[in-house]
Amino acid sequence: DGGITQSPKYLFRKEGQNVTLSCEQNLNHDAMYWYRQDPGQGLRLIYYSQIVNDFQKGDIAEGYSVSREKKESFPLTVTSAQKNPTAFYLCASSTGTSYNEQFFGPGTRLTVL
Amino acid sequence: GIQVEQSPPDLILQEGANSTLRCNFSDSVNNLQWFHQNPWGQLINLFYIPSGTKQNGRLSATTVATERYSLLYISSSQTTDSGVYFCAVVPRNNAGNMLTFGGGTRLMVKP
Repeated sequence: DGGITQSPKYLFRKEGQNVTLSCEQNLNHDAMYWYRQDPGQGLRLIYYSQIVNDFQKGDIAEGYSVSREKKESFPLTVTSAQKNPTAFYLCASSTGTSYNEQFFGPGTRLTVL
Repeated sequence: GIQVEQSPPDLILQEGANSTLRCNFSDSVNNLQWFHQNPWGQLINLFYIPSGTKQNGRLSATTVATERYSLLYISSSQTTDSGVYFCAVVPRNNAGNMLTFGGGTRLMVKP
């Protein structure tokens, strides 16, 4: 099946710990994105990557880091520098140009204890 | 940056009723998408509609790009239509295909 997978579905972490969220796609899409959603809100862009080994900051990149070593994978690390990391994280992908549809994974719910 | 406003913020319908959701945006766009977020958080693509009109079953959408708004029509609503509906756009001057989301319309369909 073609699609976007995210793991884990739920994640708990203690304050001060870094944690990495996984995002994989088999749609052969060039571009991948990470969004954050807080309760009752819309989504906000954290990072995006249009091509392997390149990525750009979005609107709320502080406290997060990413890598893009493979076309299929775009992991997000939530660092201890992120002041309020508890949120729902969604990964998306597209063929890359402004005129193409984005598709989303099922998301990861991160809770900081 | 571009502003995206959705209305109404909340909507309660009786099963079988029709509804119209609105999305206004403040600048020209290359891309406009409508999504339905189900109770488990999954974002389901409804329409990719930077301009024109599309229909898919009981749902249809119209975007009037020159007037900077889009409408999502839900006919004969069902309880499974409940959830949050998001409009998201890519501004015309945006090279990275980055979506800017509206605040959503929370729909509850009662049996």
